[in-house]
Amino acid sequence: AQRVTQPEKLLSVFKGAPVELKCNYSYSGSPELFWYVQYSRQRLQLLLRHISRESIKGFTADLNKGETSFHLKKPFAQEEDSAMYYCALSGRTGGFKTIFGAGTRLFVKA
Amino acid sequence: DAMVIQNPRYQVTQFGKPVTLSCSQTLNHNVMYWYQQKSSQAPKLLFHYYDKDFNNEADTPDNFQSRRPNTSFCFLDIRSPGLGDAAMYLCATTQPSSYNEQFFGPGTRLTVL
Repeated sequence: AQRVTQPEKLLSVFKGAPVELKCNYSYSGSPELFWYVQYSRQRLQLLLRHISRESIKGFTADLNKGETSFHLKKPFAQEEDSAMYYCALSGRTGGFKTIFGAGTRLFVKA
Repeated sequence: DAMVIQNPRYQVTQFGKPVTLSCSQTLNHNVMYWYQQKSSQAPKLLFHYYDKDFNNEADTPDNFQSRRPNTSFCFLDIRSPGLGDAAMYLCATTQPSSYNEQFFGPGTRLTVL
């Protein structure tokens, strides 16, 4: 079964602290993994995708096929990072569907 | 530049009164999606179109229908809204490729009285 698991509903950190949002997946085949972000009163938007191997707004995520994980990391959290983060998966097995995790709300305290 | 547009942004309807939500896109993407998102939950896929090919999710109630008259527009019809249908409805598009990045509209918040 295709599934995305984000074990934390809420993550609260202090400004300047490292942050890691966890994501594990279940997929038969080669998945494409994404992190989407939804800031307050804004539309859901792509943050980064594993295939690009890029750093966006200081965030990185590495696909670990052995552990079936795609955790999102940032060494120094900023207040403007406070948002809802969704890990998502798509691939040929699922057609053109994207499966979203339940989301983690990140709250960065001053 | 808005690429995926949803109208209206807020919709209030009465219990049982049909309502239509609209989505348009300027990206010329082949695939369009409708999601339902309730408070503090992940977006739930209702259905998607690949061009005119309609794909319904198995657990999408019959109360929800969709139309896609052309590449740019897609409509969500709720035939008899119930209180449980109050939610944010998101439209998204993608162009099939190896990436499948989805572009989302701002959503329509539906209230059912």
